[in-house]
Amino acid sequence: GIQVEQSPPDLILQEGANSTLRCNFSDSVNNLQWFHQNPWGQLINLFYIPSGTKQNGRLSATTVATERYSLLYISSSQTTDSGVYFCAVDSYNFNKFYFGSGTKLNVKP
Amino acid sequence: DTGVSQDPRHKITKRGQNVTFRCDPISEHNRLYWYRQTLGQGPEFLTYFQNEAQLEKSRLLSDRFSAERPKGSFSTLEIQRTEQGDSAMYLCASSRGTGMNTEAFFGQGTRLTVV
Repeated sequence: GIQVEQSPPDLILQEGANSTLRCNFSDSVNNLQWFHQNPWGQLINLFYIPSGTKQNGRLSATTVATERYSLLYISSSQTTDSGVYFCAVDSYNFNKFYFGSGTKLNVKP
Repeated sequence: DTGVSQDPRHKITKRGQNVTFRCDPISEHNRLYWYRQTLGQGPEFLTYFQNEAQLEKSRLLSDRFSAERPKGSFSTLEIQRTEQGDSAMYLCASSRGTGMNTEAFFGQGTRLTVV
């Protein structure tokens, strides 16, 4: 399978601060997604980003597929950004998503 | 697009009982996945369907677990003779599976507690 490593595992920020979450993966992928897991357990889609850069409001993501990593940037963090962020990858070789262990973000007011 | 829907949202059952969960995928999606998530961990793959065909099952899916997707629409996941170790969040996802955009969408999950 594909190994997915996320860092840092835990992150505590003051409201308004910026942060970068990283996802490393061990094989070529055709799909990479970032999710935010809400307090009720649902995985909310943030980005579908197998390569390149995308931005959505205060969030942006970059995937460098050739170097097998992706970054999620959160700017001007808010308390509502708190939760667990997951990176998941998929490839034609495996046809299933492999998840990292997540980054638990706590934004303090 | 009404999203992926799972039912029930919560289930408490006694050890040894059978339980069944349902997942309704996004209508035009031909691929459907089941995942399991325990506290503090990322979701782990259980099985997936391409239309009505179950193409892969994880080793996590013991013989007490069975999944179906009749007619390639909704899917059910049944656990027989539940054990306390089955307590987890069960997540369903769907995607187009092939083509340029294979983005997957997850349902709200079914949280199972075995007492």
